[in-house]
Amino acid sequence: EPEVTQTPSHQVTQMGQEVILRCVPISNHLYFYWYRQILGQKVEFLVSFYNNEISEKSEIFDDQFSVERPDGSNFTLKIRSTKLEDSAMYFCASSGYREGSSGANVLTFGAGSRLTVL
Amino acid sequence: AQKITQTQPGMFVQEKEAVTLDCTYDTSDPSYGLFWYKQPSSGEMIFLIYQGSYDQQNATEGRYSLNFQKARKSANLVISASQLGDSAMYFCAMKAPMNRDDKIIFGKGTRLHILP
Repeated sequence: EPEVTQTPSHQVTQMGQEVILRCVPISNHLYFYWYRQILGQKVEFLVSFYNNEISEKSEIFDDQFSVERPDGSNFTLKIRSTKLEDSAMYFCASSGYREGSSGANVLTFGAGSRLTVL
Repeated sequence: AQKITQTQPGMFVQEKEAVTLDCTYDTSDPSYGLFWYKQPSSGEMIFLIYQGSYDQQNATEGRYSLNFQKARKSANLVISASQLGDSAMYFCAMKAPMNRDDKIIFGKGTRLHILP
């Protein structure tokens, strides 16, 4: 089964520092996403990305956040100046056909990057 | 506005019993998709099963089945013959409408504990 790969698995940073979370989506997928899950809470949509531009973003995705697809394989989330409340698990996902989905595209998630802001 | 509601924050079930995890949804779009994901303690999100709003039959995938009741706007996950490895957080999610990008929204989840 193809995988979405995320690095790092865990990052600890000081408040105010810049963080870049990296993702390698499944190679034939066209839509890419970042989601966030604060510990013990629901999984929240941050941003979707298609055709080298943001297709939708949530109110959480403010000016401190940016996404980029710097080459044909990587998809990155940058947090410019981290805040304590940015501490969360960040999931990358890509969308494509999966067996057992009646032809609908299914989001496949990476294992997540846990960000701890001190 | 779209909404997913999971009213059971936690459940305890004896091993080998069947378990039903509740999910209700709200959308005004006639075309939508419903998903269930499993999140074990290791943290990854694992796709389990999908149901389309126009699918005539309830979806099944191995021990997982989706009890889709469109009029009630419910999409409960049924796990038959539960196993210890089923202990995890389970999220119901929805995509609506189906003709846009594939963003999904999640419910708050249900933590399932399987007891030996």
